Amino acid sequence: QKEVEQDPGPLSVPEGAIVSLNCTYSNSAFQYFMWYRQYSRKGPELLMYTYSSGNKEDGRFTAQVDKSSKYISLFIRDSQPSDSATYLCANGGDTGRRALTFGSGTRLQVQP
Amino acid sequence: DVKVTQSSRYLVKRTGEKVFLECVQDMDHENMFWYRQDPGLGLRLIYFSYDVKMKEKGDIPEGYSVSREKKERFSLILESASTNQTSMYLCASSQRVQPQHFGDGTRLSIL
Repeated sequence: QKEVEQDPGPLSVPEGAIVSLNCTYSNSAFQYFMWYRQYSRKGPELLMYTYSSGNKEDGRFTAQVDKSSKYISLFIRDSQPSDSATYLCANGGDTGRRALTFGSGTRLQVQP
Repeated sequence: DVKVTQSSRYLVKRTGEKVFLECVQDMDHENMFWYRQDPGLGLRLIYFSYDVKMKEKGDIPEGYSVSREKKERFSLILESASTNQTSMYLCASSQRVQPQHFGDGTRLSIL
């Protein structure tokens, strides 16, 4: 079992839709959680970063963490064609490991 | 803004060659990382460094080595390139437990 599981998609939605992207993880030692967005032929860029359970909002993006069920989500409101990218969840804070553990990414396509 | 610069966007090398991938960050970050990214496998950690001249193996270090002689620069070395090392290579840096910032990657093809 991978430490971080993510549905690879692709997920195709019409412009303006609310998008829900999800990850599950198995390592309860993870303390912080990130979402990265990666456009084709580019490196991942940080979208959201949170330490705690609950919601964190930034513009059209909301990250949600439920540590009790080891489940993290990213919601995108009013999705735009420019949101078409691969979204990677990443977990960290396991004191035995300095690096992040990534999901394999979900490819999102927003149709105009 | 943090800037992580990888020396080449695309690179084509031959089997058996020694290959150097270079990465430079401009934010005085103590941690630097090398990942490879393959379809369906996500990002896999090859090596990371938490200080000058310090390094630790990641999940898939076989066939690779690294060098960190200066804080801002982290090099990945393929000692004798093989076709199964054809991949996208991503460098990242971070300060302590802060999020990692990535370069745009080097797409390496080994023929």
